[in-house]
Amino acid sequence: GAVVSQHPSRVICKSGTSVKIECRSLDFQATTMFWYRQFPKQSLMLMATSNEGSKATYEQGVEKDKFLINHASLTLSTLTVTSAHPEDSSFYICSARDPQLDTQYFGPGTRLTVL
Amino acid sequence: RKEVEQDPGPFNVPEGATVAFNCTYSNSASQSFFWYRQDCRKEPKLLMSVYSSGNEDGRFTAQLNRASQYISLLIRDSKLSDSATYLCVVNFRNDYKLSFGAGTTVTVRA
Repeated sequence: GAVVSQHPSRVICKSGTSVKIECRSLDFQATTMFWYRQFPKQSLMLMATSNEGSKATYEQGVEKDKFLINHASLTLSTLTVTSAHPEDSSFYICSARDPQLDTQYFGPGTRLTVL
Repeated sequence: RKEVEQDPGPFNVPEGATVAFNCTYSNSASQSFFWYRQDCRKEPKLLMSVYSSGNEDGRFTAQLNRASQYISLLIRDSKLSDSATYLCVVNFRNDYKLSFGAGTTVTVRA
């Protein structure tokens, strides 16, 4: 069964609104989670590394004030897309690292459409 | 230059055929290598890790060539269910960050 869940799986919102996406590790405690974005026919691009109890580390070119990440517990990280615009429409995928198995598991993804 | 490059394909093969494709990576200090499979509109799923000596998992064989900085995936006796996009994934540093290729699409036809 799934070891990482994401919610919601799909969201459609109006331009200017904020959208929160949750990523949960179900069977293990994840000190590190990652957030990716994938545009059609393109590769997954790492947006940021989410560390439990500390600030997220953002990749170059990713606005930290626009993509707010909170890793409040060892099983939950949230990504909030603030003031979403149509160009933010994408497939957002999180992954969680199981430190005991040294393996990353991916969530099922959230498809965001901004009108 | 992209960190990880793949031939996008598509590779259209009949059932039972063998299909192989490569991926090149730019950073010679890369440490870990993987093949993931991604079905349409779904998340990537780990197919197999790639080890220095090459490794096999059923009908799938992965090879690593550090000198030429490429990894390969070979699928024998293709099944219809093998139709997917195969993502080449590399870890450059010891910080668990993964770099993805854009994927190679394989379509197996009956």
